[in-house]
Amino acid sequence: GAGVSQSPSNKVTEKGKDVELRCDPISGHTALYWYRQSLGQGLEFLIYFQGNSAPDKSGLPSDRFSAERTGGSVSTLTIQRTQQEDSAVYLCASSWRMGGTDTQYFGPGTRLTVL
Amino acid sequence: KQEVTQIPAALSVPEGENLVLNCSFTDSAIYNLQWFRQDPGKGLTSLLLIQSSQREQTSGRLNASLDKSSGRSTLYIAASQPGDSATYLCAVINTGGFKTIFGAGTRLFVKA
Repeated sequence: GAGVSQSPSNKVTEKGKDVELRCDPISGHTALYWYRQSLGQGLEFLIYFQGNSAPDKSGLPSDRFSAERTGGSVSTLTIQRTQQEDSAVYLCASSWRMGGTDTQYFGPGTRLTVL
Repeated sequence: KQEVTQIPAALSVPEGENLVLNCSFTDSAIYNLQWFRQDPGKGLTSLLLIQSSQREQTSGRLNASLDKSSGRSTLYIAASQPGDSATYLCAVINTGGFKTIFGAGTRLFVKA
C-alpha cells in the first residue's frame, strides 16, 4: 500500500485478556518501530526491527509485551494479560534505514482501551 | 541517557507571524534528528530530518537547524497559517542506536 497501515483502529478489551495489534509497513522498508502514546504523555519507544530481527527491545515495559516481524514485512505486537495501564494509542512506523536517511513514516495507530 | 526537551510546551500566535520552536537534547552523539507534526487523533507526519553531518534542512515555509555541540535544534515556521495548528514533536536517534527518543512536543495554535 501507499502508507503504513495498522489494525484494528480501535480495540476494547477486558482486563486479563490478550490482544494482538498489527502493522503493515510501507513495502520495501527495512526498519519498523513500535511506540506507545498514553493520554497526555509523549511517545514511548517500545521496539525496533531491522528485517525480522529486533536488535533493540529495550522499550518493552514488561514481559507481557512481545512483538514479531515475519518476511521482513508485517509485524504483530502482542500484549498478554492486559492491564488498565496498557490503555494507550499504539503507533507503528517504518523507514528505509540507510545512510542517515531514516525518515519514519507513521501509521494512524491502534487505540487500545482496557476495561 | 538521552533526554529531549521542547520549549515552549504551548504557543498561540496570530496568523502570518514567524515563529521558532525549540528542541534540546542532552547527548550530542546523535544519528539524526527529526521534526514531526501530530494532528489531534492522528498519527505523526514527518516534516524534516537532519542527518548528523548536516546543519539545516528546509521544506517550503519550514526550516530546521541543528547544532550538535550545543545540543539544540530549532524549527522555524514562516508566515504561519491556521492550518499549521498542531503539536510539533522533535525526536533523536543516538549514534549506533535504534531507539527514537521524543520530546513532549509543542502545541501550536495559529489564530485566524
